[in-house]
Amino acid sequence: SQQGEEDPQALSIQEGENATMNCSYKTSINNLQWYRQNSGRGLVHLILIRSNEREKHSGRLRVTLDTSKKSSSLLITASRAADTASYFCAARSAGNNRKLIWGLGTSLAVNP
Amino acid sequence: EPEVTQTPSHQVTQMGQEVILRCVPISNHLYFYWYRQILGQKVEFLVSFYNNEISEKSEIFDDQFSVERPDGSNFTLKIRSTKLEDSAMYFCASSERGGLNEKLFFGSGTQLSVL
Repeated sequence: SQQGEEDPQALSIQEGENATMNCSYKTSINNLQWYRQNSGRGLVHLILIRSNEREKHSGRLRVTLDTSKKSSSLLITASRAADTASYFCAARSAGNNRKLIWGLGTSLAVNP
Repeated sequence: EPEVTQTPSHQVTQMGQEVILRCVPISNHLYFYWYRQILGQKVEFLVSFYNNEISEKSEIFDDQFSVERPDGSNFTLKIRSTKLEDSAMYFCASSERGGLNEKLFFGSGTQLSVL
């Protein structure tokens, strides 16, 4: 299978709950990035974690990276209805190439 | 915040026709990209462009595809003879210096439908 596999594929939670999404990848990476996509819209960069980092925070977002397991997780705390979107991880492979390898995404629904 | 703009938002074309998808990257950015997302599938890299030439391209980016920066602001993707399987959402992106740890700024996409 391809690099960048997220799970779950779909997640439905209540407002105020935390949402956790996971991503696995296959090869060595320079960094792993998380993007958000609202229905029918473009991809918005959320957070980037480098291969030598283990955890990173940005507001209500927390990303972890475990290079030994080749996996990452995105945690959204105290979710809001406005967080409803699809979330994608994208891995930049080690080396000089600049392309991102994407997962299928997790569709998050936050119910008010 | 500055943004990448893409036009048109939707394009419908007949199989075999040529289409040009247009993008205006963020003005001080130097690296430009095209990605596409077929419905229900992963986002796929097509091509990256720097200093007026292609720096990297994927297997998808065959002879039917070309990119151009015709002036100082536009970045276009041309598909010479469209096929049904080219139907997808096409995203343009740009980054400031193309550093490996830089984030990409994406446009809202052009939904291409080939009939």
